[in-house]
Amino acid sequence: EAEVAQSPRYKITEKSQAVAFWCDPISGHATLYWYRQILGQGPELLVQFQDESVVDDSQLPKDRFSAERLKGVDSTLKIQPAELGDSAMYLCASTSEGRLNTEAFFGQGTRLTVV
Amino acid sequence: AQSVAQPEDQVNVAEGNPLTVKCTYSVSGNPYLFWYVQYPNRGLQFLLKYITGDNLVKGSYGFEAEFNKSQTSFHLKKPSALVSDSALYFCAVRDPRWGGATNKLIFGTGTLLAVQP
Repeated sequence: EAEVAQSPRYKITEKSQAVAFWCDPISGHATLYWYRQILGQGPELLVQFQDESVVDDSQLPKDRFSAERLKGVDSTLKIQPAELGDSAMYLCASTSEGRLNTEAFFGQGTRLTVV
Repeated sequence: AQSVAQPEDQVNVAEGNPLTVKCTYSVSGNPYLFWYVQYPNRGLQFLLKYITGDNLVKGSYGFEAEFNKSQTSFHLKKPSALVSDSALYFCAVRDPRWGGATNKLIFGTGTLLAVQP
């Protein structure tokens, strides 16, 4: 069964350091999402890609966060510098292009701890 | 703006009893509604969805949900709970009308289901 792949599963970093997460969506899925899930809360959308283009990054803290999907396939989310408040689960998801009625498929997430 | 509410932080039920996890939504048009389940340190797994048609939708692992437009609700149900159903459950809504910024999927804050043996 096709899955969304994310790495690493866990990451511990010191504040002010840079950290990066990687996501490989299900093959053929043109839409890719990065969500942040703070403990005890629901996932919150950070950025949405359609192919290689950013569709929505209104909730992305652009002073420290960046995301790219250069070839419209896999994607990288970067934080620089990391802050204590960035500790959360970072989830990647994908859906088929243009099909709003389809469910999003999620990866297992990257648990980030900033110390 | 679209939103979704899960009024219960936690639901406790005995194994074998029916369970209900509540969800209400706010969307101007006809919503697309989803339920996901999350086990500890894992991503979200899709359970079921309502797009159109029959108000009662059936999903994975024996779960079902009923769409009620007048009450703007989409409660998750299961006739007989299992201990293995214990997890965090999220309701999500999407406004499919063109013009919404990205027709983004908005999640509730989650409900922890605890099934006691």
